[in-house]
Amino acid sequence: AQKVTQAQTEISVVEKEDVTLDCVYETRDTTYYLFWYKQPPSGELVFLIRRNSFDEQNEISGRYSWNFQKSTSSFNFTITASQVVDSAVYFCALSAIRGSARQLTFGSGTQLTVLP
Amino acid sequence: KAGVTQTPRYLIKTRGQQVTLSCSPISGHRSVSWYQQTPGQGLQFLFEYFSETQRNKGNFPGRFSGRQFSNSRSEMNVSTLELGDSALYLCASSLEQGARSDTQYFGPGTRLTVL
Repeated sequence: AQKVTQAQTEISVVEKEDVTLDCVYETRDTTYYLFWYKQPPSGELVFLIRRNSFDEQNEISGRYSWNFQKSTSSFNFTITASQVVDSAVYFCALSAIRGSARQLTFGSGTQLTVLP
Repeated sequence: KAGVTQTPRYLIKTRGQQVTLSCSPISGHRSVSWYQQTPGQGLQFLFEYFSETQRNKGNFPGRFSGRQFSNSRSEMNVSTLELGDSALYLCASSLEQGARSDTQYFGPGTRLTVL
């Protein structure tokens, strides 16, 4: 069975602070994908990043960066110099490939509030 | 390119009724998945369709069903609605080239309220 744990239910920071959202996953599959999605109040899940299990290189995209460590089964997300527009619920998700079928297993989400 | 569209955006139904939700994937995307989001259970996978065939199904009762048309558009149906079916229903589409697991792109969701 697959499982994604986001232990931080809510985080509140002041604008311009850095913030890290934690994600720990469990899977028996050797090939899998990890994702981060952002859900603003409008409800739509916005795709942020995808990493596959063979690529442990960290990635940076503007103010966003991701740290993938297979040894600790973690895929953490850092926002540098946070902005009010970053306020949203962030979900970490796991997808394994079984034949041609796959599904996303989501964590419970982290509500990030960035205060002005 | 237009994103995933879902209709209607909001629905109010009463217990015992049935409801049909519609999803149009991104042009060229062949796989459509459905998820239910509730405050208590979070985001849960319902089912996935590819080439008009259900390829994967989550742990939901048979009251939840779906289908996919030849143009990749998908519908999901919930019969005999229960109060617990109140949720945000999200549809996602992906390109699906061969057996690769492509990124799923989500629509804005349909918020269903069962009274």
